[in-house]
Parts: sequence; structure tokens; C-alpha cells
Amino acid sequence: GNSVTQMEGPVTLSEEAFLTINCTYTATGYPSLFWYVQYPGEGLQLLLKATKADDKGSNKGFEATYRKETTSFHLEKGSVQVSDSAVYFCALSRIQGAQKLVFGQGTRLTINP
Amino acid sequence: SQTIHQWPATLVQPVGSPLSLECTVEGTSNPNLYWYRQAAGRGLQLLFYSVGIGQISSEVPQNLSASRPQDRQFILSSKKLLLSDSGFYLCAWSPGSNYEQYFGPGTRLTVT
Repeated sequence: GNSVTQMEGPVTLSEEAFLTINCTYTATGYPSLFWYVQYPGEGLQLLLKATKADDKGSNKGFEATYRKETTSFHLEKGSVQVSDSAVYFCALSRIQGAQKLVFGQGTRLTINP
Repeated sequence: SQTIHQWPATLVQPVGSPLSLECTVEGTSNPNLYWYRQAAGRGLQLLFYSVGIGQISSEVPQNLSASRPQDRQFILSSKKLLLSDSGFYLCAWSPGSNYEQYFGPGTRLTVT
């Protein structure tokens, strides 16, 4: 079946550090891949997406590349800020059957000044 | 542009009381609509989704139900709340298959 596995958190970094949050997936066919961010007490916001292999999604300094050969979609940012503290969710879209997203368990990121 | 609204923002209800949460979407037509629950510190659990008026699919058997009386309105209900129904309820919409979903601000439900 379709599934998403994210690196376990929580992750704590200092401001201006390099960030990587790992995401790997299992899916039939060629799903689209997404990263969402959830700030405390809020809903999820779409951060970036990639719809086919080798696509790179980017937004607000974050990047992720759709790697079909390693079934991965790791989130990276070169220099994090305190305001990046949030929970990050990796997700894939099912392309068969019901029209749903499959989410990872989320990774809590805390950035210290 | 499209916007999604949820209300109420917070709700405290006693065990055994009824529940009605509402979600509406503006600026689009015939969206797919979704209800999720997020327990404290946990991931997202898909509860219901709908691809059209009156069409509801349930993901998890429970004492909750959903209805879609209008194209852009999605309602989550319960006749008798349980303590385990506490959580953060999120509504989302999508323009269709294999597309991203856009989430509302959520409703924090506490059952006491």
C-alpha cells in the first residue's frame, strides 16, 4: 500500500543551521509529493510540492527534490530561523481509488536563537 | 481566490452532548472536501471525505458522521460525544484527484 515515513522528531537546531528532514515513501505508480507546515494552533499550510520525478519544489527557502530511485522527498533549508519552528508533514497523493493524501507522522522542529 | 472557513474555533462540550462543526469553502465549485482529526502531538487521521453533494465516504468507524448539504459546505456531527473525541478537527478542500489539499484553521474540541 501507500505510505510515508518521516524522520522522527523532535529536531532542535540553532538559528542559521542547515536543516534536513527525511521523508521516504512507498507507492504504486507515480504520486505527487508534498510538504506541509503546521504552526502552533493553526491548520496545515502547503509549503511545496513536486508532481514528477526529479522535480524540485521550493518555497520560503525550503527545497525538496522528488527522487524516484530512492523513493525520497527530503526537506532542506540552508539557514533556518526561529520563525521556522513548527511541525512539518510529508505527504503523497494516491493515484488509484479514492482521492486522498497519505501523510507522514510529522516532525516537530524547534529553532533556538 | 479560494478561502476555507471553519467554526467554531474552539468548543468545550460535556460527554454525551451532540456536536456540529461546520466548514465552508469560497471561490471554487465542486471541490473535494475532507475532515481530519489530530490528537495532541499526533499526526492526522482522515475521518471522512466527499467528492460531491450527498456523497460521503467514511474512513474510520466511530460515533461521528459527516454530511454535505451544499456544494461547498461540509458538516461533522455526533449525537453523543465521547472523551476520546477530543482533538483538533481540520477541514480541507482539493480541486480534484492527485491535487494538493488546502486546510482550514481548525476547531479545537475538548470533551469534558
